[in-house]
This record gives sequence, C-alpha cells and structure tokens, in this order.
Amino acid sequence: SQTIHQWPATLVQPVGSPLSLECTVEGTSNPNLYWYRQAAGRGLQLLFYSVGIGQISSEVPQNLSASRPQDRQFILSSKKLLLSDSGFYLCAWGGNNQPQHFGDGTRLSIL
Amino acid sequence: DQQVKQNSPSLSVQEGRISILNCDYTNSMFDYFLWYKKYPAEGPTFLISISSIKDKNEDGRFTVFLNKSAKHLSLHIVPSQPGDSAVYFCAASEGAQKLVFGQGTRLTINP
Repeated sequence: SQTIHQWPATLVQPVGSPLSLECTVEGTSNPNLYWYRQAAGRGLQLLFYSVGIGQISSEVPQNLSASRPQDRQFILSSKKLLLSDSGFYLCAWGGNNQPQHFGDGTRLSIL
Repeated sequence: DQQVKQNSPSLSVQEGRISILNCDYTNSMFDYFLWYKKYPAEGPTFLISISSIKDKNEDGRFTVFLNKSAKHLSLHIVPSQPGDSAVYFCAASEGAQKLVFGQGTRLTINP
C-alpha cells in the first residue's frame, strides 16, 4: 500500500533562517506531488505541485520554492524565512482522477 | 476570490443524529468534488468523492450530494458518532489534479 512521510513534525525557526522540509512517498511510481499550507483558521492553500521529476508548478508567488530531485521525493525550501511563513505545511500525493492523500504535516513556527 | 466556501465554521450535533455539512462553489468548470476529515496536528484524511456526472455517492455512513445547478454539495453522516468530531474540508477540482479547498467546518458530536 502507498504511504507518505513528512518530516519534521514540528519546527521552530528564527526569521531569516533557511528551511528544508522533505516528503517521500512509497508504494507508487510517478505520483503527482503537492505542497499545501494551512494558516491558522484557514483552509488549505496549494503552494506547489509536480507531475514528474524536475517539473514544478508554483501556484502562489511567495518566499518559498520546491524541488523534486527523485520520483517520490518532494522538497519545500526557503532561503530566508519570514514571520508570515508560519503555518502547517502538508505534502500530498495523488494520481490523475484520484483523491489526493496527505502526510501528517509539519507545524512551522517562525520566531 | 474564494471559489469554494464552507459558510458554517462550526456545527454541533447530538450523537446518533444526522450531521449535514455544506459547501458552495463558484467555478462551473469543477468536475470532481471531495470531502476530507482532519484531526488536530494530522493531515486530512480522504472520506468520499463525487464526480460531476453523479448527484449522489454513498459509502457506509457517509453520503455526498451534488447539486450542480445550485453549485452546492453536502456531506451527510448518519448516524453521527463521537469519533466523527473533527474539521471537515470540502474540495473541488478540474480533473482531480489541483484541489481548491474550503475553509473547513468544525463538527462536534455531543454524547
């Protein structure tokens, strides 16, 4: 069966520091991969999605970037974090015309 | 511009009764709709979906209804159980790739 792993579960970072969140999927090949953010009291906002290695689409202009170095690995990065980057970050995988399945998320707090 | 709206931030229902969660959308190109359930500090879990060629889909205690003319979908949970207490998100997409989420409704099942 397919599983999705995200780490770390929680992260506290100072303003201006870099960020790297990693997501890996097991049990499937060539999945569509997604990064979402949930701000406090808000719904999930799509940040990036990828349909294949090296193929990244950005949905919202922001201080973040994404990369897909391997088929089942998706990385969310920032060179310098802002206070507004705080939130709950979720990785998801899905196939065409199938539901997306989410990891357990990373709670990011910027101080 | 919020394309998917859940106008009730919270809902309280007696155990054993029916829970009805509502969702409205504005984009007539959406053809795939989903409901997710989310517990605190966890990723959303897929519950049930419906394509635009149907008006009803049932899975155990969960039924999703789609009214395309009104651009409205609803999730019925019968009977409601304490473990159903969570935040419920509706989502919509064209072709199940990029999901647009509502803000969520917090459902509380009272004993």
